[in-house]
Amino acid sequence: EAQVTQNPRYLITVTGKKLTVTCSQNMNHEYMSWYRQDPGLGLRQIYYSMNVEVTDKGDVPEGYKVSRKEKRNFPLILESPSPNQTSLYFCASSLNNNYRNTQYFGPGTRLTVL
Amino acid sequence: GQNIDQPTEMTATEGAIVQINCTYQTSGFNGLFWYQQHAGEAPTFLSYNVLDGLEEKGRFSSFLSRSKGYSYLLLKELQMKDSASYLCAVRPMNTGFQKLVFGTGTRLLVSP
Repeated sequence: EAQVTQNPRYLITVTGKKLTVTCSQNMNHEYMSWYRQDPGLGLRQIYYSMNVEVTDKGDVPEGYKVSRKEKRNFPLILESPSPNQTSLYFCASSLNNNYRNTQYFGPGTRLTVL
Repeated sequence: GQNIDQPTEMTATEGAIVQINCTYQTSGFNGLFWYQQHAGEAPTFLSYNVLDGLEEKGRFSSFLSRSKGYSYLLLKELQMKDSASYLCAVRPMNTGFQKLVFGTGTRLLVSP
């Protein structure tokens, strides 16, 4: 089944404890992206990747890192999480950099930073 | 920059028709998407418009007027399962073809 998976789905952690949220897609998509969703603010892009080893900042990249060593995986790294990073995170992918392409979203990761 | 406006919340009854509006201001334009998102779940694709006019897909239709910076999503024969948030997203030009800028979403409540 074609899908985007994320792990973990739920995570409660404490300030400063490094964490990684994994994202994987099995559709051979070139483009991958991370969003966070907060009440009243909608979905905001954190980082995106056009292909392996090609990443760039989105609209809210502060406090996050990403890597794209393999086409299928695009992990989101929080080196020193803070309470303002408590949010619902979505990974998304699309076939390539064509403006008509639809983005497919993963199931989401609900992160709470205490 | 980009600015996207949609109503925060709407209510409708089962079997009715509802229109959810979206207005946007962007520096260039490469299309507009509508996504459906049930509470706590991932957004799922509904429609894409890049040219003016109406795109129909079953009970859902989406309209675009580029000159007015305006789109709407029309849902017919509403069902209880249509209770969800509907997200309008614009693909600006000159920021990478895959970039999407989302509105805050319209929460639709369908009652019996």
